[in-house]
Amino acid sequence: ETGVTQTPRHLVMGMTNKKSLKCEQHLGHNAMYWYKQSAKKPLELMFVYNFKEQTENNSVPSRFSPECPNSSHLFLHLHTLQPEDSALYLCASVPGTSGRDEQFFGPGTRLTVL
Amino acid sequence: DAKTTQPNSMESNEEEPVHLPCNHSTISGTDYIHWYRQLPSQGPEYVIHGLTSNVNNRMASLAIAEDRKSSTLILHRATLRDAAVYYCILRDQYSGGGADGLTFGKGTHLIIQP
Repeated sequence: ETGVTQTPRHLVMGMTNKKSLKCEQHLGHNAMYWYKQSAKKPLELMFVYNFKEQTENNSVPSRFSPECPNSSHLFLHLHTLQPEDSALYLCASVPGTSGRDEQFFGPGTRLTVL
Repeated sequence: DAKTTQPNSMESNEEEPVHLPCNHSTISGTDYIHWYRQLPSQGPEYVIHGLTSNVNNRMASLAIAEDRKSSTLILHRATLRDAAVYYCILRDQYSGGGADGLTFGKGTHLIIQP
């Protein structure tokens, strides 16, 4: 247990559905990230939030929409996804912005788009 | 692109030491060397990190070359539960919360034989 939880753990959705992924941490961390991990590909950083402000958007399509209402919660809103968006979506939190800081990962949400 | 190079896979026997290499020839003076591992069907977990000196913790040891262009993660006595993908990444200590150093490569798939 890392202290970072993600829900749901598994999600199956059609291309016309709208769904949201949730990440929660009560570790007092100030930075939270979304990563995508496709089969046989490295982890891809999607979004970075520091102190609730989005600081990075790694050219992610607009069908993925992040939201960080407070420093403990991070959402990823999904709409009109494509089958190639099927992947493991991972959330991580970090105490601060120093390069010394360890990333705490959640267990991930396994997403399947039909 | 990832700034580190690791072998795709390594195999070791249970209860023997394992040395996982990582090359980072373009490392800067302010980059921390971080190691993470990802067990099957789980999110990555932190293993160890260091800057210049060798480091030890309950999970592993990190040996850093004098010129810092390479490092080795050492598992002193491998168990079957250590079978995972091991990632070596660089993180600038002055990253300021940006995306620098949050790039995971393909990592090394460690196979442990009973």
